[in-house]
Amino acid sequence: KNEVEQSPQNLTAQEGEFITINCSYSVGISALHWLQQHPGGGIVSLFMLSSGKKKHGRLIATINIQEKHSSLHITASHPRDSAVYICAVDTYSNYQLIWGAGTKLIIKP
Amino acid sequence: EPEVTQTPSHQVTQMGQEVILRCVPISNHLYFYWYRQILGQKVEFLVSFYNNEISEKSEIFDDQFSVERPDGSNFTLKIRSTKLEDSAMYFCASRETGTGTYSPLHFGNGTRLTVT
Repeated sequence: KNEVEQSPQNLTAQEGEFITINCSYSVGISALHWLQQHPGGGIVSLFMLSSGKKKHGRLIATINIQEKHSSLHITASHPRDSAVYICAVDTYSNYQLIWGAGTKLIIKP
Repeated sequence: EPEVTQTPSHQVTQMGQEVILRCVPISNHLYFYWYRQILGQKVEFLVSFYNNEISEKSEIFDDQFSVERPDGSNFTLKIRSTKLEDSAMYFCASRETGTGTYSPLHFGNGTRLTVT
């Protein structure tokens, strides 16, 4: 079983829809990251959080430490949001992050 | 905003050749990473580097790979004798802190390595 699981693997939605991507993890973490990988390949860090909720523009990330679960929400989705969204966690025992497999999001106009 | 820069953006090499992929991390960052992504697959961790030494490496990072910080700014990944299966996108990343307290990762745009 993977230590970081994301769902769904693929998501296609219409422009304007509210999007939710989920991440569950089975290890103790010190921080959780949401990353975005564009079709061109570049990876951008969207959020790093260890509790509560963070918001940046139309993106919202939440984490529930007790339930070992995080969600990434996109409000008023737009075709430019089409990308792969990756959840990754920092643990106290590793220098490197443990990565989820990613969620491929396609927003249709 | 400071960026992680990687060169070259694309490299084509013949099987058996040595390649060096270069990265310039953000200047006040202390933790450096190399990742690779084979086309259509998940990003895979290769190695992390802190305080001028490898802090962690994956099973992928075997004897054909090495990393160096030859001066105060560059961070290089060397593949000694490339194989076809080394064809992938290689990402460098850096962060200010990586243990105890954590900071976001900053990624370079990647080097696409094609081994023929």
